[in-house]
Amino acid sequence: ILNVEQSPQSLHVQEGDSTNFTCSFPSSNFYALHWYRWETAKSPEALFVMTLNGDEKKKGRISATLNTKEGYSYLYIKGSQPEDSATYLCAFPPSNFGNEKLTFGTGTRLTIIP
Amino acid sequence: SAVISQKPSRDICQRGTSLTIQCQVDSQVTMMFWYRQQPGQSLTLIATANQGSEATYESGFVIDKFPISRPNLTFSTLTVSNMSPEDSSIYLCSVVNSYEQYFGPGTRLTVT
Repeated sequence: ILNVEQSPQSLHVQEGDSTNFTCSFPSSNFYALHWYRWETAKSPEALFVMTLNGDEKKKGRISATLNTKEGYSYLYIKGSQPEDSATYLCAFPPSNFGNEKLTFGTGTRLTIIP
Repeated sequence: SAVISQKPSRDICQRGTSLTIQCQVDSQVTMMFWYRQQPGQSLTLIATANQGSEATYESGFVIDKFPISRPNLTFSTLTVSNMSPEDSSIYLCSVVNSYEQYFGPGTRLTVT
């Protein structure tokens, strides 16, 4: 069983502030890391797939970094907006052969305060 | 991409009853999965729905409790049987299409 931890569990951030949170995982047997954003009553939306140590990905105001040697990934949100309020999940596939059967962390619930 | 719909979006059920959740995909996909998220827990895979054969269940989940149907490549159902309050969760259908995984909007189930 893959032990995936996300911290903090929840976070309240003032609109306009920047924030970041962490996904920690065992550094052995790493294949890929997925970040998802899950808004209430909507489908989880894929943000990034990261595979290489040192990877940095960016999508608008959201970016992520990956350190496979020490077993963590950071997700950053710059200039938070109310629409960023969601639960952010990291997830891992069990092998290198596909993206199915993901193991998820418990998520970080982000609330942006207007 | 893949667009997934689920029915119902939410339900409140009495213990001891069963609920069937439907998952419809807008394209034919080989792999369909059912996940659940209990309150405060991570999204956990229940089973892989196989077209034309029995579903493959993960450790801790059994067919009698969560029977699954997969009559074709665009549709699947998950039944939560003999429900108890511990079954209160969000149930998500998921598919893999072109190596990307997509999720439905979920079914929020409350068992009283």
